[in-house]
Amino acid sequence: EAQVTQNPRYLITVTGKKLTVTCSQNMNHEYMSWYRQDPGLGLRQIYYSMNVEVTDKGDVPEGYKVSRKEKRNFPLILESPSPNQTSLYFCASAPYLRGSNQPQHFGDGTRLSIL
Amino acid sequence: AQKITQTQPGMFVQEKEAVTLDCTYDTSDQSYGLFWYKQPSSGEMIFLIYQGSYDEQNATEGRYSLNFQKARKSANLVISASQLGDSAMYFCAMRSVRMDSSYKLIFGSGTRLLVRP
Repeated sequence: EAQVTQNPRYLITVTGKKLTVTCSQNMNHEYMSWYRQDPGLGLRQIYYSMNVEVTDKGDVPEGYKVSRKEKRNFPLILESPSPNQTSLYFCASAPYLRGSNQPQHFGDGTRLSIL
Repeated sequence: AQKITQTQPGMFVQEKEAVTLDCTYDTSDQSYGLFWYKQPSSGEMIFLIYQGSYDEQNATEGRYSLNFQKARKSANLVISASQLGDSAMYFCAMRSVRMDSSYKLIFGSGTRLLVRP
């Protein structure tokens, strides 16, 4: 089954304790992206990757890191989490075809609470 | 700057009736795509329907159709014959198709739809 898998689905942690949210897709997609969803704001892009070893900042990258060492994986790293990073996070992937409008496939989301 | 506006924070509809969820967008790009996603209470994002800026016909997918009015920059989602399972948050999103674009989806703030039995 074609899917984007995020782990964990839920996490409660404390300020300053490094954490990683994993994302893996089995569709051989070039493009992967992280979004955060906050009430009244919709989803906002954090980081994205056009292919292996190619990453770039989105609209709200502060406090986050990513890496793309393999095509299928795109982990989101919070080196020193703070309460304002409490949010619902989504990983998404899509085939990277210039000029096309393939929909992005989303993972089921990770709900992070930073105390 | 690109922007998506969804002016209806919440809506009710009676089961089996049709409902229209509004979406207006702002972009200076000539080529772009418009998407609608559904987010049920379980939280996942489900792709519903897509409309390209150069598509001459309105997109349809089962009970979903997109009322695309390019001159008005609107892309309203129409759900026919509403079902209880349609109760969810609905997001309109846009993506530029420019060669130098980041492939980023710009989302609206969403409309929460509640279907009454």
